[in-house]
Amino acid sequence: QKEVEQDPGPLSVPEGAIVSLNCTYSNSAFQYFMWYRQYSRKGPELLMYTYSSGNKEDGRFTAQVDKSSKYISLFIRDSQPSDSATYLCAMKETSGSRLTFGEGTQLTVNP
Amino acid sequence: EPEVTQTPSHQVTQMGQEVILRCVPISNHLYFYWYRQILGQKVEFLVSFYNNEISEKSEIFDDQFSVERPDGSNFTLKIRSTKLEDSAMYFCASSEVTGPPLAKNIQYFGAGTRLSVL
Repeated sequence: QKEVEQDPGPLSVPEGAIVSLNCTYSNSAFQYFMWYRQYSRKGPELLMYTYSSGNKEDGRFTAQVDKSSKYISLFIRDSQPSDSATYLCAMKETSGSRLTFGEGTQLTVNP
Repeated sequence: EPEVTQTPSHQVTQMGQEVILRCVPISNHLYFYWYRQILGQKVEFLVSFYNNEISEKSEIFDDQFSVERPDGSNFTLKIRSTKLEDSAMYFCASSEVTGPPLAKNIQYFGAGTRLSVL
């Protein structure tokens, strides 16, 4: 079983749609959760981070964590063409230094 | 805004040659990392480095790889004898700490070096 699973998509939505991106994980030691955005052939860019179960909102983005189900989500409201990118979930244990990434979901927002 | 910088952006080398990938982490960060991403695959952890020592490494980081902080600003990844399967994007990252609080734990990534082994 993979430590982190993420549907690679591709996901194509019209401008203004609400987008839901999801990851599941198997390692209960993961306590830190991050979402990165990656444009083609560029480095991951941090979008949001959280460590607690529940929701965290930042503008059009909401990160949701359910530790009991080992499930995290990123919601994008009022999606824009500029949101078109690959979205990576990443997780980390409180001790240790490595991030474990999902496969990434490729999102296209059509004008 | 401070950022991690990596050079070169693209490196082409022949199989069996040595390559050095260079990174300048964010200046007040103490922890440095290398990750790689083979085309179409997930980002994978290679190694973390703190206080001039490797603090953690993955099974990918074998004897062909080494890391060094040759001076106060640079952090390098050396691949001694490149193989075709080393072709990938290599990302450097840095963070202030690795333990709590999470805000100081966040790893910031450079734009990457694309390594092509022919």
